[in-house]
Amino acid sequence: GENVEQHPSTLSVQEGDSAVIKCTYSDSASNYFPWYKQELGKGPQLIIDIRSNVGEKKDQRIAVTLNKTAKHFSLHITETQPEDSAVYFCAASDDYKLSFGAGTTVTVRA
Amino acid sequence: NAGVTQTPKFQVLKTGQSMTLQCAQDMNHNSMYWYRQDPGMGLRLIYYSASEGTTDKGEVPNGYNVSRLNKREFSLRLESAAPSQTSVYFCASTQSQGSNTGELFFGEGSRLTVL
Repeated sequence: GENVEQHPSTLSVQEGDSAVIKCTYSDSASNYFPWYKQELGKGPQLIIDIRSNVGEKKDQRIAVTLNKTAKHFSLHITETQPEDSAVYFCAASDDYKLSFGAGTTVTVRA
Repeated sequence: NAGVTQTPKFQVLKTGQSMTLQCAQDMNHNSMYWYRQDPGMGLRLIYYSASEGTTDKGEVPNGYNVSRLNKREFSLRLESAAPSQTSVYFCASTQSQGSNTGELFFGEGSRLTVL
């Protein structure tokens, strides 16, 4: 089955700096890679996703890159703000099964 | 719209007790899911229902049962709770039928403690 590894488990950044979270996956059949953000006491919420026919996608301060050959994908948050503090999950899907990484707790220091 | 609503939000059980977590969505979604979230382990799929009338096991189904009552509602039952089932449970839904390549909408979670 699919195995998704996510690093780092915790990340502390100064407000205004960039944050990068990296994930690797094992199943070459995976073709959909979403990122979810979970705020304290809430359920996860989709913030961006990428499909295997695309190498990079941006949405304002958030970008995701995908390297299919190396089987890894990354989330980049630029100009971090206090409201970016949350737990972020990567995931990989082969159409039928969605597997999540263990999560990264991001803290933005004022 | 309320989205995905889970009840109860908090529950404390003793070992061996039973309980049912309720989930309802008002987005007319086809597929519904139950996940558990444990520290350092991400979200693990317990059971899912690709459409009304069907249910399938996920990654960690042991000790749980589910019922897709209708298109809106998907319940998770613990027949004989064990301390290992202490966790935060999330219900989710998506428009996709049987496919995991669309946005999942999550409820706010149900925190269960088994003593």
